Amino acid sequence: EAGVTQFPSHSVIEKGQTVTLRCDPISGHDNLYWYRRVMGKEIKFLLHFVKESKQDESGMPNNRFLAERTGGTYSTLKVQPAELEDSGVYFCASSQGGTPLGTDTQYFGPGTRLTVL
Amino acid sequence: AQSVTQLDSQVPVFEEAPVELRCNYSSSVSVYLFWYVQYPNQGLQLLLKYLSGSTLVESINGFEAEFNKSQTSFHLRKPSVHISDTAEYFCAVSDHWAGNTPLVFGKGTRLSVIA
Repeated sequence: EAGVTQFPSHSVIEKGQTVTLRCDPISGHDNLYWYRRVMGKEIKFLLHFVKESKQDESGMPNNRFLAERTGGTYSTLKVQPAELEDSGVYFCASSQGGTPLGTDTQYFGPGTRLTVL
Repeated sequence: AQSVTQLDSQVPVFEEAPVELRCNYSSSVSVYLFWYVQYPNQGLQLLLKYLSGSTLVESINGFEAEFNKSQTSFHLRKPSVHISDTAEYFCAVSDHWAGNTPLVFGKGTRLSVIA
């Protein structure tokens, strides 16, 4: 079974440009999460999809970030326009859903390293 | 709000020596506790987790962690480390009662095993 995949693995863009990150969760997983790690800091939650619906987007830093999960399968995270402080590693995770009291394991992808110059 | 503190950002240790990576958390509700590991150039992998029951949990590669509710800790230990254990280790918590809530991570501890 394929794990969580993310594309691209690295992206280097200039301030003001647009970047779109993609995450393919494990097949059949209803829950999809985006996290970000800025250099030297902890991994922080951005948002959570249940199927195609946004369950929690309290971690999204501002309206330059737009996440979608059309059809409840893969997800994209677009940053437009990118700023210097957006640099970091963006992780995607998925979990199955349907188990009691949130005991699902979150499986993480390898991350996308975004550098904004 | 929940928070996780990993007191050591870097831990160098000689091969075959024991190691303890410390994790303390704060939360106003019951939590689930996790340790994830990130090997060089790879994604995060779940190492072990505490959900309920026995407070001592073990991984398949010899790590163990003990949930201590009174000290709000979940330290990770291994009696004898290998070079292959070199990685960054993350402690995380999630809300016990809310179901599929996001993980709250510590800043990570980079374990370097020296030959």
